[in-house]
Amino acid sequence: AQTVTQSQPEMSVQEAETVTLSCTYDTSESDYYLFWYKQPPSRQMILVIRQEAYKQQNATENRFSVNFQKAAKSFSLKISDSQLGDAAMYFCAYRSGGGSNYKLTFGKGTLLTVNP
Amino acid sequence: EAQVTQNPRYLITVTGKKLTVTCSQNMNHEYMSWYRQDPGLGLRQIYYSMNVEVTDKGDVPEGYKVSRKEKRNFPLILESPSPNQTSLYFCASSLHALYEQYFGPGTRLTVT
Repeated sequence: AQTVTQSQPEMSVQEAETVTLSCTYDTSESDYYLFWYKQPPSRQMILVIRQEAYKQQNATENRFSVNFQKAAKSFSLKISDSQLGDAAMYFCAYRSGGGSNYKLTFGKGTLLTVNP
Repeated sequence: EAQVTQNPRYLITVTGKKLTVTCSQNMNHEYMSWYRQDPGLGLRQIYYSMNVEVTDKGDVPEGYKVSRKEKRNFPLILESPSPNQTSLYFCASSLHALYEQYFGPGTRLTVT
């Protein structure tokens, strides 16, 4: 079974600075997808970024980018120019690219605090 | 507006009293899923549905039932709720199983 590990329960960053959230995963599959979701205090789960395992190029979405290291099974999220609105719980998630279920397997989350 | 809706958003109930949490999406999505979120555990899948009349168990299905009679609706049923089902529940949907999942706003359930 796949597992997702977020080794940083909490992180903090100064406004306008850059922060990197770590995620590692364990799988024997070659076809899969990785995601970062953001959960602000409103509890809504918001998709931040996705990465297909077959793509070598790291995904970017405005101030959010990932460092995808397939051999190391690492998928970190970099937030540049941090803003107060970035404060949230961040979840890394894995999904198989095949099989009979396409569930998301989540890590336990990293709580990000942004200091003004 | 494309969205996933859940009702109720908050519910306090007592042990053994049957309840249903509704989930509806207006995006014609095939795939729908229920997750529960507990502190320190992240989100875990309860049940999922690949399409109408096709449902299957996720990682933590005990104590729950689902049905998918219409494409847009995927209710979660707790026949006899127990305190260990106190949790935050999310419904999610995606156009196809391989596409990203969009989440509803969550339902906070407390069972006393």
